[in-house]
Amino acid sequence: NAGVTQTPKFQVLKTGQSMTLQCAQDMNHEYMSWYRQDPGMGLRLIHYSVGAGITDQGEVPNGYNVSRSTTEDFPLRLLSAAPSQTSVYFCASSYRVGGGPGEQYFGPGTRLTVT
Amino acid sequence: SQQGEEDPQALSIQEGENATMNCSYKTSINNLQWYRQNSGRGLVHLILIRSNEREKHSGRLRVTLDTSKKSSSLLITASRAADTASYFCAPGGNYGQNFVFGPGTRLSVLP
Repeated sequence: NAGVTQTPKFQVLKTGQSMTLQCAQDMNHEYMSWYRQDPGMGLRLIHYSVGAGITDQGEVPNGYNVSRSTTEDFPLRLLSAAPSQTSVYFCASSYRVGGGPGEQYFGPGTRLTVT
Repeated sequence: SQQGEEDPQALSIQEGENATMNCSYKTSINNLQWYRQNSGRGLVHLILIRSNEREKHSGRLRVTLDTSKKSSSLLITASRAADTASYFCAPGGNYGQNFVFGPGTRLSVLP
């Protein structure tokens, strides 16, 4: 199993550009999530999904879109990049345990800089 | 979604000492998990304790859960320099909810 993969590893964007961060998992997990982590801070939940076709907003959803057309993939789209979106982005997936999310498996992260 | 709050925010100890960090949360949970993050890397899952469990062990880790006080603690015994990392708790809710991580506890183990 490859686990959770994220591409690209690094990205530099100009203000106003759009792009999609890719995330894929091969563990047949129901839950998938996107987090961002600013320097010296904890993770903040952007969007998450509890299954194909179902997505919901987290703490900081503005400026981001997601879709979950398959169990495996959960891309994160930045609509119009802003310097405030400079951060490290982590994707995670988990199975369900007792009705809620179980152990989360994290990808290696994407370091995004917006100039 | 609900957030765990870790305490203390930072902890510095000598190698060989025990490290204890605490987590508080606000609403009912299905389980509670602890994660470690080494600098710049993704989080790594350490241990999951279900809401009907009071204590769980994994190697040098001991986790307790008190659902009446809505709190948990993580004890790392005989700490090593390699334990230097940030530690996060994640209170797991019900279906449809997901983790909101707190600021974490930054642990420094000095050789």
